[in-house]
Amino acid sequence: DIQMTQSPSSLSASVGDRVTITCRASQSISSFLNWYQQKPGKAPKLLIYAASNLQSGVPSRFSGSGSGTDFTLTISSLQPEDFAAYYCQQSFNTPFTFGPGTKVDIK
Amino acid sequence: QVQLVESGGGVVQPGRSLRLSCAASGFTFSTYAVHWVRQAPGKGLEWVALISFDGSNKYYADSVRGRFTISRDNSKNTLYLQMKSLRPDDTAVYYCARATGGSYRHGGDYWGQGTLVTVSS
Repeated sequence: DIQMTQSPSSLSASVGDRVTITCRASQSISSFLNWYQQKPGKAPKLLIYAASNLQSGVPSRFSGSGSGTDFTLTISSLQPEDFAAYYCQQSFNTPFTFGPGTKVDIK
Repeated sequence: QVQLVESGGGVVQPGRSLRLSCAASGFTFSTYAVHWVRQAPGKGLEWVALISFDGSNKYYADSVRGRFTISRDNSKNTLYLQMKSLRPDDTAVYYCARATGGSYRHGGDYWGQGTLVTVSS
């Protein structure tokens, strides 16, 4: 199975900050990498699919990049509603494993 | 609007069975693959299973293969997860999620609210 890691596991940031979260796969997954946001008690929300494609309705301050084994989710200017957990997921091979998550909270 | 509504969760003893349902509406269910994803209390997301649009292809996580069965009834716009030989570590909120654009490879674009399964004696 493909293992996914994320760093950092948590971060504290202020409104307006630029935030970068990294995701690494244990083997090449081409561009089959998705990013989700999850708020407490809510279902995950798809932000980015295929590494860099912004899901419809997602604000443009979110962007994704990378291919192969290394990927990045960037929030260009953190907004109050962005404080949440973020997960990457590979969809190259089943099982479609998730990373352990990154929690973004208020500094 | 697209809606997915899970049901069937509850408290069940170890070793017993449970069937979850996911009722879909607002889109042509029969043209979309669908995932099950779970989340143990306070933990991260775990992909559980995927079924193709017509039910001909099914894929499972190692942790559930042989115990869980994913199925669908396109005439009823409903997805199922039959869970057998349940263990305490199956305790989680179970979500169904529509495959983005119908593709297996682009994650899930619409999710249900989840249904909680608690396995405990």
